[in-house]
Formats: sequence, structure tokens, C-alpha cells
Amino acid sequence: DVKVTQSSRYLVKRTGEKVFLECVQDMDHENMFWYRQDPGLGLRLIYFSYDVKMKEKGDIPEGYSVSREKKERFSLILESASTNQTSMYLCASSFSFRTGEQYFGPGTRLTVT
Amino acid sequence: GDSVTQMEGPVTLSEEAFLTINCTYTATGYPSLFWYVQYPGEGLQLLLKATKADDKGSNKGFEATYRKETTSFHLEKGSVQVSDSAVYFCARDSGGSNYKLTFGKGTLLTVNP
Repeated sequence: DVKVTQSSRYLVKRTGEKVFLECVQDMDHENMFWYRQDPGLGLRLIYFSYDVKMKEKGDIPEGYSVSREKKERFSLILESASTNQTSMYLCASSFSFRTGEQYFGPGTRLTVT
Repeated sequence: GDSVTQMEGPVTLSEEAFLTINCTYTATGYPSLFWYVQYPGEGLQLLLKATKADDKGSNKGFEATYRKETTSFHLEKGSVQVSDSAVYFCARDSGGSNYKLTFGKGTLLTVNP
């Protein structure tokens, strides 16, 4: 089975802190994605990566950056956390030729106070 | 641009009732269509997919048919179980080499015994 793991299930940070969310997949997938999920808004794509060191902005990249130094690992970075970044963050991965078939991690519920 | 509209919930049914969750998509390109399910406390899982017009995706008793003439991909199940309680997301890809999935806002289904 494909496994996508995220470093934390719950995280509480203070405004202005730098926050790192880590995601690891074990299926040698080329593509990796970061979404945030908010009630009434569904899933919104923050960033995705289609190869090591490659990244592209999604729909809501402001306030976020990403890093992909190894194929299996994709990190989301909040440079200076703000309260409006309180959300559920979901990581996903897929093969390059099956972009729509994404495998999701369990999510990280981030609270910024 | 690409968008997906699905019926708003929440939907509450009794066990063994018939389920329909409506989904329509914007008719741009030649997308593949997907239904994802999110059980409580978990990430999303791919439930079923259809890649071209008139295709029927099916899994775990759920079905959805790709209707190009009505730009719809409604999810149906003949007899729901308590274990089907979850949030259901309809999604489309862009139909090209773009990597993005566009999700609907999700529909919460609760099945009572």
C-alpha cells in the first residue's frame, strides 16, 4: 500500500514563528502536493512539485514556501506564521502519468495563536 | 477556469437508504473525473474515477457515470451503511499536462442506524 506520512497530526505555534511541515511518501511518486482544507472552502492547492528541486505555485501560495531536496520528501514552510494560516494541511503524492490519482496523508491540524 | 460544484450538505440518511450526491463540472478540455472520500480523522482516499464520456466508475457499491451532455458526475449508492459516513469530494483534472486537481467543497454524509 502507498503510504504518505506527515510529521505531526496536531501543531500549535505562535504568530511570527517559522513553521515546517514535513511529508514523506514511500512509493517513488514523482508528484507531490500541499493543500489546505478549510470548512466551506474545500481543498485549495498551495504548491506542488513534479520532480526533485522543482516546484510550482498553486492557487494560494502567499505566505508559504516549499522544499523538495529528495524525491520522497516535500516540506511546506510558513516563513512567519499568522493566525489566518490556522487550518488543516494535507500532503498528497501521485505518479506523473496519473496525476488525478493522488494519495493523501492524514493531515496536520495547525493552530497559530 | 476549471471548477466543480457539488451539492451542499450535510446529508443525513438512514441505513439502507439510496444515496445521490450531485456533482457538475465546467466543460473545459477533456477532464478525467474523480470522487474522493474522507473518513473522520483521515486524509482523502480515491473512491472511483472515470476518464472519458459515458465511462462508469465503481467501487465499494458506489457508482458514478461521466455525462458529457450534462457535465455531471453524480455519485450514487443503492444501500448506504453506517460505515459510509464521511465527507465526499468530487474533483476534475485539467485534461492536459497540467498537474492540478480541482475539488468541489465536499458533502458531509451521515448515516444513522
